[in-house]
Amino acid sequence: EAGVAQSPRYKIIEKRQSVAFWCNPISGHATLYWYQQILGQGPKLLIQFQNNGVVDDSQLPKDRFSAERLKGVDSTLKIQPAKLEDSAVYLCASSLVVGADGYTFGSGTRLTVV
Amino acid sequence: KQEVTQIPAALSVPEGENLVLNCSFTDSAIYNLQWFRQDPGKGLTSLLLIQSSQREQTSGRLNASLDKSSGRSTLYIAASQPGDSATYLCAVLAAGKSTFGDGTTLTVKP
Repeated sequence: EAGVAQSPRYKIIEKRQSVAFWCNPISGHATLYWYQQILGQGPKLLIQFQNNGVVDDSQLPKDRFSAERLKGVDSTLKIQPAKLEDSAVYLCASSLVVGADGYTFGSGTRLTVV
Repeated sequence: KQEVTQIPAALSVPEGENLVLNCSFTDSAIYNLQWFRQDPGKGLTSLLLIQSSQREQTSGRLNASLDKSSGRSTLYIAASQPGDSATYLCAVLAAGKSTFGDGTTLTVKP
């Protein structure tokens, strides 16, 4: 089966600019996750979708981050405006049922804010 | 709040050694635990998934154990190779939420 697809792979922007990331999960996976991974740390959950509804966005900085999952398939994560501390790898993952079968991750998008 | 700790943060061993990576968690009411490998600049690759009812899982040279009562999991790597060099992360699923450790960076020297 095809894996979790993410784009772009790399992005460099200036602070206060906006940026968007795209994720296409494994076909049939109802649950989709966005994680932020800062260098040297484990991934931190930003938002979790079940189909096209939000299950958990408690750690999403809602003043600057937004995410949507239209039609319960692919998803976009947006940052506007970006700050220097947003420099990180943004990982998308999906699972068939909420984590019960484990998570499959995409290759991630490395964001550098200068 | 679930906390996941991985010690040591970094480990260097000569090729051929058997080694153990540790993962500890504070809340034992977990659903499952998953071990991942992450190569520099890459995403996470799943290695082993242990359900809460299981004690261990094996795949090739890898063996993961789970002791819920003590809040610990170990990842055993037999006959390590330079290609095993990577960061290894564990993730705990509990109450529908996943919590990751910060990983152990393993270097296997030829």
